[in-house]
Amino acid sequence: EADIYQTPRYLVIGTGKKITLECSQTMGHDKMYWYQQDPGMELHLIHYSYGVNSTEKGDLSSESTVSRIRTEHFPLTLESARPSHTSQYLCASSEYKGAVGELFFGEGSRLTVL
Amino acid sequence: AQTVTQSQPEMSVQEAETVTLSCTYDTSESDYYLFWYKQPPSRQMILVIRQEAYKQQNATENRFSVNFQKAAKSFSLKISDSQLGDAAMYFCAYTAHGGATNKLIFGTGTLLAVQP
Repeated sequence: EADIYQTPRYLVIGTGKKITLECSQTMGHDKMYWYQQDPGMELHLIHYSYGVNSTEKGDLSSESTVSRIRTEHFPLTLESARPSHTSQYLCASSEYKGAVGELFFGEGSRLTVL
Repeated sequence: AQTVTQSQPEMSVQEAETVTLSCTYDTSESDYYLFWYKQPPSRQMILVIRQEAYKQQNATENRFSVNFQKAAKSFSLKISDSQLGDAAMYFCAYTAHGGATNKLIFGTGTLLAVQP
């Protein structure tokens, strides 16, 4: 099992609420990622980070924001949740000099916005 | 733009039998990597196998092997001697070589059921 953890695993929340999805890894990986996964659809990269104080938007536009203040921590925040944000969010990390494409994933955070 | 297509939303196989999952991709790059990831129900996604495009030899990892056809842009996964633990969603993925970000492009996945 990879040492990358996501909380909460499941969250049901009302429209307009602010939420933060937590992601932590204990492997010392420099690179971290957030993917959005909808049922029956491919994973889409929404944010990634090369290291502390480095964040970039991914291929899929997202209203969420991320921060990388510590190497091990890469939280994702939605300031005002909407039903369109309902999805599963997967956090992943990889080693800077590791094998190409070898990402280590968390178990995911399933968000439902009512 | 690069795309990855998995045309089989669901597949089923009997325990101990062999199953092949299909994947096609589109890219203008000549050097890239292809992957199969496995996502068991409510568990972490893990890397199953990786293929480097410049290597003609098909990758193999124990019961898992690929059939990489570069000209046809096809990358199928064969699972031999299927086990109940192989039941999962399988994703085909692509990344261009030299992509320092490790940004993967995923297909829509194939849900594999293993019948006892």
